[in-house]
Amino acid sequence: DAGVIQSPRHEVTEMGQEVTLRCKPISGHNSLFWYRQTMMRGLELLIYFNNNVPIDDSGMPEDRFSAKMPNASFSTLKIQPSEPRDSAVYFCASSLMAANYGYTFGSGTRLTVV
Amino acid sequence: DAKTTQPPSMDCAEGRAANLPCNHSTISGNEYVYWYRQIHSQGPQYIIHGLKNNETNEMASLIITEDRKSSTLILPHATLRDTAVYYCIVRGFGNEKLTFGTGTRLTIIP
Repeated sequence: DAGVIQSPRHEVTEMGQEVTLRCKPISGHNSLFWYRQTMMRGLELLIYFNNNVPIDDSGMPEDRFSAKMPNASFSTLKIQPSEPRDSAVYFCASSLMAANYGYTFGSGTRLTVV
Repeated sequence: DAKTTQPPSMDCAEGRAANLPCNHSTISGNEYVYWYRQIHSQGPQYIIHGLKNNETNEMASLIITEDRKSSTLILPHATLRDTAVYYCIVRGFGNEKLTFGTGTRLTIIP
């Protein structure tokens, strides 16, 4: 298995532009998680899905952030408009929907908003 | 989920066993202890988890005290590639969310 695949690996954009991050979870996994990591705040859970349905989006910082999971093999995290404080590494993870399983994380997308 | 406390940093000599402690004194009966690590610039990696019995896999061993208020992750023969931040996380059964703290930065010294 190729693991959790995220794209792009790096993204540099100007303030005000729309940014879309993409994630392909491991086949057969039915839970998907989006995290953000910064030096100041560490790893923060933004939102997670079970069976393609958003369950908890309480970590989404504000309305500029949105996430979708149109099918079991694809999810997007969109920031519109982007701001410099959104600069961070964004990780996607997937797992089987049960507490006994660990998450598998992708390699992340490093976002820089200038 | 119960809060965990870990030392901010530790050193270990290459080839020696690395023992990483974690305190989770408020853990409840249905909460599991998970360990992850994050090597620089990579996504976190699942290592091991347990409820009350000691666990071992190809990566590490997890020792949980009888009262479950603390645990130790053991890397039996540390290598330079084990240099990473190690996170101890307590997570309740049925709770999908994994909340990361600040972890322990382990440095393996040649």
